[in-house]
Amino acid sequence: ETGVTQSPTHLIKTRGQQVTLRCSSQSGHNTVSWYQQALGQGPQFIFQYYREEENGRGNFPPRFSGLQFPNYSSELNVNALELDDSALYLCASRPSGANDGYTFGSGTRLTVV
Amino acid sequence: AQTVTQSQPEMSVQEAETVTLSCTYDTSESDYYLFWYKQPPSRQMILVIRQEAYKQQNATENRFSVNFQKAAKSFSLKISDSQLGDAAMYFCAYRSPGGNTPLVFGKGTRLSVIA
Repeated sequence: ETGVTQSPTHLIKTRGQQVTLRCSSQSGHNTVSWYQQALGQGPQFIFQYYREEENGRGNFPPRFSGLQFPNYSSELNVNALELDDSALYLCASRPSGANDGYTFGSGTRLTVV
Repeated sequence: AQTVTQSQPEMSVQEAETVTLSCTYDTSESDYYLFWYKQPPSRQMILVIRQEAYKQQNATENRFSVNFQKAAKSFSLKISDSQLGDAAMYFCAYRSPGGNTPLVFGKGTRLSVIA
């Protein structure tokens, strides 16, 4: 399987709810990162997983959490949604040891109302 | 912490002409990686070109080339023979060496290509 696939493509949630976003990476891509891209801004790093362990985190509160699975899929979970969580969420992956740029998915557009 | 600045929110270019997008960054590191990503309306970030800081030679990929000025901490992207398909958001990004270092992005430049 090639490429990075994210689901769903669009999602509308109510403030206070919880959401799970999913990402399926290429085989062999042991490193996966999640980014939040607010409207008109560049992506901001949320956290990174390597072989199912979180090994880096940006300036995001604990209600943003994740999981990575052995089959190269991963999840981003956000609890207690706030209006400011409305954004495009991007998943990016790369093989371990690679210094190249990441391969990105097309993102999930989350709207919190 | 590293920062990346793109001072041109919007740029336009005539088809077949050349355009240069600017990017500056701030870092105290001597070794790092720099990237230009393209984000079309499909939203997927596509790697356009990458530069390793220890390499003095400017990277080139077909119609895309960079002007990397390490002392000035400048990393501009030149697009030659612009095509309608080049219209997109362009993001400059920085990454420190190491396995768990993230990409640090600028705010982007929206490029329009005029037929």
